[in-house]
Amino acid sequence: DIVMTQSPDSLAVSLGERATINCKSSQSVLYNSNNKNYLAWYQQKPGQPPKLLIYWASTRESGVPDRFSGSGSGTDFTLTISSLQAEDVAVYYCQQYYITPPFTFGQGTKLEIK
Amino acid sequence: EVQLVESGGGLVQPGGSLRLSCAASGFTFSSYAITWVRQPPGKGLEWVSVISGSGGTTNYADSVKGRFTISRDNSNNILYLQMNSLRAEDTALYYCARGKVVVTAAPLGYWGQGTLVTVSS
Repeated sequence: DIVMTQSPDSLAVSLGERATINCKSSQSVLYNSNNKNYLAWYQQKPGQPPKLLIYWASTRESGVPDRFSGSGSGTDFTLTISSLQAEDVAVYYCQQYYITPPFTFGQGTKLEIK
Repeated sequence: EVQLVESGGGLVQPGGSLRLSCAASGFTFSSYAITWVRQPPGKGLEWVSVISGSGGTTNYADSVKGRFTISRDNSNNILYLQMNSLRAEDTALYYCARGKVVVTAAPLGYWGQGTLVTVSS
């Protein structure tokens, strides 16, 4: 199974500053046949189900503010929030959905305001 | 509008069984793979199982393989998770989720609110 490891486990960032969350997979999630990275990012606020933010490693879901961006390829990925807003306080998860299940999640990164 | 509504959670003793349901609406149910994801209280997300649109292909996490069975009723737009030989570590909020596209290997774009399973004596 592919193991997903996020860093850091928690992060405190000042309002308006940049937040960066990393995700590393134990094997490549880049499918050479279509050159797509099978990697998604989710945001989960307390008492709510997860919300899809980014898929194919860098494609923003409809309605997601453009301050959220995803980057990376192969085994190393990053979620960046360019200017942190109060409503971005949440736990963020990466997930690989590379071809064959199980489609594992990272352990999560808790983002707070400094 | 896509809607997923889980039910069937509750308190069950270790070794017991429970069947969860996920009622779907707002899309062509039989076209989409559906996934169960769980979240223990205060902890992270764990992928549990997925079933193809036709129901012909199923996959499980190692932690539940042989104990849980995923199935679907495409006539009534309902997904099931039969959970047997339950353990304390199965205690979690169970979500059903649908991919953005029909294939199994897809990001999960739609989620229900979850149903809570508590395994305790």
